[in-house]
Amino acid sequence: AQSVTQPDIHITVSEGASLELRCNYSYGATPYLFWYVQSPGQGLQLLLKYFSGDTLVQGIKGFEAEFKRSQSSFNLRKPSVHWSDAAEYFCAVGGNAGNMLTFGGGTRLMVKP
Amino acid sequence: SAVISQKPSRDICQRGTSLTIQCQVDSQVTMMFWYRQQPGQSLTLIATANQGSEATYESGFVIDKFPISRPNLTFSTLTVSNMSPEDSSIYLCSAGSGQGIYEQYFGPGTRLTVT
Repeated sequence: AQSVTQPDIHITVSEGASLELRCNYSYGATPYLFWYVQSPGQGLQLLLKYFSGDTLVQGIKGFEAEFKRSQSSFNLRKPSVHWSDAAEYFCAVGGNAGNMLTFGGGTRLMVKP
Repeated sequence: SAVISQKPSRDICQRGTSLTIQCQVDSQVTMMFWYRQQPGQSLTLIATANQGSEATYESGFVIDKFPISRPNLTFSTLTVSNMSPEDSSIYLCSAGSGQGIYEQYFGPGTRLTVT
């Protein structure tokens, strides 16, 4: 069975600082990996995805993520955080078995001025 | 990408009643999904809805409680039946298209409170 772990429930960073959100997955084959962001009262917006190829993927809003098979990780990064990045971030893994997405527990990002 | 709308955006319902949530996609999509997000929690898949076939429910979710319709390639409904306070959640629909693994695009969600 596939699973996703986001070890950090809450993270607080200062505006302008760099950010890394951790994601570890468990999946028996090549995973399909996603990062979504959910602002308060909103649905989920897709930030980026990894299907194959280059292990460093670029997304929207200046985010990037790196797939590391040896570590079963897909960490999300941003070099300089803006106050508008404060939100809940979800990592998800999918596979061909019904195309079901399994979500991690989420990381709530707070940004200090 | 697909743009997805949901109605209602929120509702407060009494115990024992039912609520039908509508999900509309701006383009034809192969698969639609319904998720539940309980307060402060992550998303849990309720069911997958393919046009022209019965919905496929995940463990812990049953058709009598969460009947789903998928009459065409742009629309789906989820009904939450015989509601109890434990059903208070955000219900989100998503859509994917293409072959193999899909990107999924999410609607804004329906915030349901059962009193």
